Amino acid sequence: ETGVTQSPTHLIKTRGQQVTLRCSSQSGHNTVSWYQQALGQGPQFIFQYYREEENGRGNFPPRFSGLQFPNYSSELNVNALELDDSALYLCASSSTAGDDTQYFGPGTRLTVL
Amino acid sequence: GENVEQHPSTLSVQEGDSAVIKCTYSDSASNYFPWYKQELGKRPQLIIDIRSNVGEKKDQRIAVTLNKTAKHFSLHITETQPEDSAVYFCAASKPGGSYIPTFGRGTSLIVHP
Repeated sequence: ETGVTQSPTHLIKTRGQQVTLRCSSQSGHNTVSWYQQALGQGPQFIFQYYREEENGRGNFPPRFSGLQFPNYSSELNVNALELDDSALYLCASSSTAGDDTQYFGPGTRLTVL
Repeated sequence: GENVEQHPSTLSVQEGDSAVIKCTYSDSASNYFPWYKQELGKRPQLIIDIRSNVGEKKDQRIAVTLNKTAKHFSLHITETQPEDSAVYFCAASKPGGSYIPTFGRGTSLIVHP
């Protein structure tokens, strides 16, 4: 086990709703990255948080937002859900004091109807 | 930005055969290349990685080679076993801040007993 946990495991929402996904980083890790993985695709980088600040962002609209807390856990918020937001959302934690290797959580499967 | 191409998209081999998955990247500044294995319904797991200061790295039946001049790197699995069946992702990232990898689209490896 890598120690990265995510909640919830599965989630079903309807178009226009808002959703919050949660991630607890591995012990000792201070950086959390979020990815969207559509079926049959590789993970697409959404954003990364380090020391509670956004530290890089991929090509995702502003309705995707996040937070990192003092204990390094993180939230991903998605507003105004669209059908195309249906995907597996992965978080990965890493340590800037180590080799930056990312360790993934089990993911949250989001279905938008 | 970085672009990572991965081939083949599907690879079918007999148990005991070797499997090779190839990736190319576009940004010559990239210097860290991890490989992840993702079994159905599970999180991506780091299986091996290589940095640009070495050309090859081995770990038991798995090896990765890197050609920085040609900007390509490959995963080699020898003596394949049915439990090697999974989707494999390559990724590339560059220094200058937190590690934010760009992933390939994945290779579905099927090992027939």
